[in-house]
Amino acid sequence: AQKVTQAQTEISVVEKEDVTLDCVYETRDTTYYLFWYKQPPSGELVFLIRRNSFDEQNEISGRYSWNFQKSTSSFNFTITASQVVDSAVYFCALKSGADSNYQLIWGAGTKLIIKP
Amino acid sequence: DAMVIQNPRYQVTQFGKPVTLSCSQTLNHNVMYWYQQKSSQAPKLLFHYYDKDFNNEADTPDNFQSRRPNTSFCFLDIRSPGLGDAAMYLCATSDWGQNNEQFFGPGTRLTVL
Repeated sequence: AQKVTQAQTEISVVEKEDVTLDCVYETRDTTYYLFWYKQPPSGELVFLIRRNSFDEQNEISGRYSWNFQKSTSSFNFTITASQVVDSAVYFCALKSGADSNYQLIWGAGTKLIIKP
Repeated sequence: DAMVIQNPRYQVTQFGKPVTLSCSQTLNHNVMYWYQQKSSQAPKLLFHYYDKDFNNEADTPDNFQSRRPNTSFCFLDIRSPGLGDAAMYLCATSDWGQNNEQFFGPGTRLTVL
């Protein structure tokens, strides 16, 4: 079975602090894809990144970075020098298995609060 | 800019009164999705279209129907909304395939009185 666990329900930090959001996934497939989405208070889900199972390189995009480690089945997301605009719910998701052409398996989400 | 558009952004309906939510896309994706999202939860897939092929999730209530008259448009019909159907409804699109991300519209927040 496929599963995504985001153990942190809510994280609160002060602006300019670094923060890491954890994502642990389960799958028996050798080919799979991992995603992060951001959902600000407005409600729209914004795609942040896709990573395939064969590419373990870490990714950096501005203040955002992602650490993919197959050995621990984790795909963690770090925001450096956080800003108030980063406040949102962040979802990690997995595509794996028979329905993976269309089916996203979602984590429960982590609510990130950045205080000024 | 290519995008996914949902109308209206906010919809209020009465208990049992049919309501239709609409979604359009300029991305020319062959797959369109409808999700229901309740407060503090992950989105829940209701159904998806691959081109004109309709695919219902097993646990989607019969109360929910969908139409896709062409590539660009998709509608969600709730035949007899109950209080439990109050939620955010998200439309998304993608190309078919495991390696393709879904792009979401801004959502329609449905209130049932």
